[in-house]
Amino acid sequence: AQSVTQLDSQVPVFEEAPVELRCNYSSSVSVYLFWYVQYPNQGLQLLLKYLSGSTLVKGINGFEAEFNKSQTSFHLRKPSVHISDTAEYFCAVSGTGNQFYFGTGTSLTVIP
Amino acid sequence: DVKVTQSSRYLVKRTGEKVFLECVQDMDHENMFWYRQDPGLGLRLIYFSYDVKMKEKGDIPEGYSVSREKKERFSLILESASTNQTSMYLCASRGGGRWTDTQYFGPGTRLTVL
Repeated sequence: AQSVTQLDSQVPVFEEAPVELRCNYSSSVSVYLFWYVQYPNQGLQLLLKYLSGSTLVKGINGFEAEFNKSQTSFHLRKPSVHISDTAEYFCAVSGTGNQFYFGTGTSLTVIP
Repeated sequence: DVKVTQSSRYLVKRTGEKVFLECVQDMDHENMFWYRQDPGLGLRLIYFSYDVKMKEKGDIPEGYSVSREKKERFSLILESASTNQTSMYLCASRGGGRWTDTQYFGPGTRLTVL
């Protein structure tokens, strides 16, 4: 079965600094990758997803992620974070067949 | 916009009680899901449904059942609640038939079993 690993459970970063949230997945022939965000007291919403094509994927709120097949990674980046980016971020993977798995989440805290 | 609503934001129940968690979506989506969210474990799929009266087990179905009598409503049932079912429960819906299609989530129900 597919799996994803989010190595960082908590990431504190100062406002306006860049941030990278790491995600690695288990290798497979076909893989589709997602980042979801959960703002405090809300459900999850899709930030971006990679299905095929360009390896650099742009999402909402200035976030982007790069699919790196050789590194089996799909790290999420933002060049300058805002207080409003404080949230829990989940990487997820889907492969062939009826599978969809979330990672354990990374809590991003933006410090004023 | 897709709206997924859950009947309660917070719920406190006693061990052994039967618990119903309700979820309603307003976008005529075929697929609906129940996840459980625990710190350090992320989201784990309990059950999903791809049509009225149809259901499939997810990764952790033990101790839970579901009901989908109408397309817009998907209920999660804890037949006899236990303390290890204290958790955040998230409902989601999806319009397309593929796992690559976007899931839309409700705000969650935080259940405490005493």
